[in-house]
Amino acid sequence: SYVLTQPPSVSVAPGQTARITCGGTNIGSKSVHWYQQKPGQAPVLVVYDDSDRPSGIPERFSGSNSGNTATLTISRVEAGDEADYYCQVWDSTSDVVFGGGTKLTVL
Amino acid sequence: EVQLLESGGGLVQPGGSLRLSCAASGLTFSSYAMSWVRQAPGKGLEWVSSISRGGGGTYYADSVKGRFTISRDNSKNTLYLQMNSLRAEDTALYYCAKGYSSSWLYWGQGTLVTVSS
Repeated sequence: SYVLTQPPSVSVAPGQTARITCGGTNIGSKSVHWYQQKPGQAPVLVVYDDSDRPSGIPERFSGSNSGNTATLTISRVEAGDEADYYCQVWDSTSDVVFGGGTKLTVL
Repeated sequence: EVQLLESGGGLVQPGGSLRLSCAASGLTFSSYAMSWVRQAPGKGLEWVSSISRGGGGTYYADSVKGRFTISRDNSKNTLYLQMNSLRAEDTALYYCAKGYSSSWLYWGQGTLVTVSS
């Protein structure tokens, strides 16, 4: 089965850049989507198809995907960005796969 | 405005059954695949099941295959998840979402299923 590996936690100071990785075998050949989930709320799509942003998502959120690693980058981090972040792909053998999630802490 | 509203959750004993519903509005329901995702308390997201636009294609996580059945009624704009032989490890908040193999822009707020004696 296809596995996506995320770091359990990432910490960053306000105004700095946060990078959250999502590792998977040849993930660069797949479309990666990223979701933000705040406590008590449903997930929110922040990046789709590796690097596109849905309407209403700040430009501070960006994504990249190459080789065995996809990355969600959050520039000029704000306190309100503190949340859990999940990567997701669809795989022909494993269907829908989520990463284990990364807790972003804003120091 | 797209809205997805789940219902049907509750407390059920191990081995019991429950049927979840997801009422959709603000979209042409029959044009989209739909999915169920769950989140156990304090844990991450886990894909459960998806269904094609017309209902002819259904897909399941190994953890629920043979116990859960996904279905939809496009005339009622409603998605269902029939859950049988429930186990303690099925305890979770169950979300419905629009989409399957692509990204999921719209999610419901979830319905809580607790399996306990």
